[in-house]
Amino acid sequence: LAKTTQPISMDSYEGQEVNITCSHNNIATNDYITWYQQFPSQGPRFIIQGYKTKVTNEVASLFIPADRKSSTLSLPRVSLSDTAVYYCLVGPSNNAGNNRKLIWGLGTSLAVNP
Amino acid sequence: GAVVSQHPSWVICKSGTSVKIECRSLDFQATTMFWYRQFPKQSLMLMATSNEGSKATYEQGVEKDKFLINHASLTLSTLTVTSAHPEDSSFYICSARAYFSGANVLTFGAGSRLTVL
Repeated sequence: LAKTTQPISMDSYEGQEVNITCSHNNIATNDYITWYQQFPSQGPRFIIQGYKTKVTNEVASLFIPADRKSSTLSLPRVSLSDTAVYYCLVGPSNNAGNNRKLIWGLGTSLAVNP
Repeated sequence: GAVVSQHPSWVICKSGTSVKIECRSLDFQATTMFWYRQFPKQSLMLMATSNEGSKATYEQGVEKDKFLINHASLTLSTLTVTSAHPEDSSFYICSARAYFSGANVLTFGAGSRLTVL
């Protein structure tokens, strides 16, 4: 089972770039890295997914080094509305229904201050 | 696209009653759906995997007779908390895998807050 480790909390200010790093030393060859965002009393929301190198979409970038033992979610110019819990998950990206490999940790609680 | 609708968003019930939570995939078919429970300040815990047309698969420690799951169609799965007690008060979230922005990811409902008095 691919376990992840990420900081429990982070503080930032509006307009700053925030980088959240996740460690996943025992990632498997067919595992993808997926990040989710969760606001209080809401279901998690998909942010970005990657396998290697760099992935960028309209809200974030994901940096994955060659050994894939870690990954960094980068949020450019955060705003107050980015205050949330961010989860890093590692597991196969398929529809086989085997959801047991996705272990949800406590995530990183990001607080964006004015 | 890839929207999962969950209803109700919150429910309050008396101890001993049963509560049903619905999870629908609005614009895609989901042969498999997943039910999670989340206590305050804690992470998501997978309760069971709901399979269309067959029995659900429950995680260790989850009572299948207490948490009844029915997946009668490709777009609907229901979770019924039977004879609810205060310790069942929690945030229940369903999800399904769908393609979003080119990735096969878990798409979550908004969650259902259950409070048992």
